[in-house]
Amino acid sequence: GAVVSQHPSRVICKSGTSVKIECRSLDFQATTMFWYRQFPKQSLMLMATSNEGSKATYEQGVEKDKFLINHASLTLSTLTVTSAHPEDSSFYICSASLENNSPLHFGNGTRLTVT
Amino acid sequence: AQSVTQLGSHVSVSEGALVLLRCNYSSSVPPYLFWYVQYPNQGLQLLLKYTTGATLVKGINGFEAEFKKSETSFHLTKPSAHMSDAAEYFCALKISNFGNEKLTFGTGTRLTIIP
Repeated sequence: GAVVSQHPSRVICKSGTSVKIECRSLDFQATTMFWYRQFPKQSLMLMATSNEGSKATYEQGVEKDKFLINHASLTLSTLTVTSAHPEDSSFYICSASLENNSPLHFGNGTRLTVT
Repeated sequence: AQSVTQLGSHVSVSEGALVLLRCNYSSSVPPYLFWYVQYPNQGLQLLLKYTTGATLVKGINGFEAEFKKSETSFHLTKPSAHMSDAAEYFCALKISNFGNEKLTFGTGTRLTIIP
C-alpha cells in the first residue's frame, strides 16, 4: 500500500533556531500533501495544504512566515519551523493521497520539542 | 461548515467485550467518512472508510462501521475487544471529491482495554 515517510521522528532544538521536517511519498506521486499539528491528547488541526510547484494554502490563524512549506517535487514536501519557540513544541504529521478518491495516508509524525 | 463530533473522549471496555465508539457528523452535502487509529507517537492508520454504496463497511482488525444518514452517525464497532486495540481513534469527514482532500477530524476517543 501507499507509504508516506516522515523525517525526523523526533527533534529537539533551541529557541530561535529553525527546524525542517520532510514528508515523502515513497511509492506514489502526490501533487497535494497536508500538514497537521496535534497538541497532546487533542485532535489533528490542519495547518496547510502543500501543492507541488505552487504556494501552499494556509489555514486561518497559521503564520505562513513561521511555518514555511515547500513542495518542490511530486514526492517531497517540507515544513520548516522558523525561529522556533517553546510554544511551537508539538506533534507534526503530514499526509498525502494517491488520487482524489482515495483516503489520506499519514506519516508517522515528528515530535518537536523546543527548549 | 462540516463538523465531526465524537462522544466520549475516553472509553474503557473489558477484553472480549463489544467496542462501540460513537461518531456523529454535520454536513450540507453527502460526506465521505473515515475512521483512523493512532498509536502513541505515531501517525494515523486508516481503519475503514465510507464513500458510497453499502452503508455497513468493514475495515481492518475486525472493525466495522455503519453509515446512518437519518441519524447522521458513523459509529465504529468491534464484537470482541483485544488488548492490541488500545489506542486513540479518530472519526473524520471529507466533503469534496475534486482536488480538495481536506479532512475534518473529530476530537478523538481514547480506547482502553481492561484485562
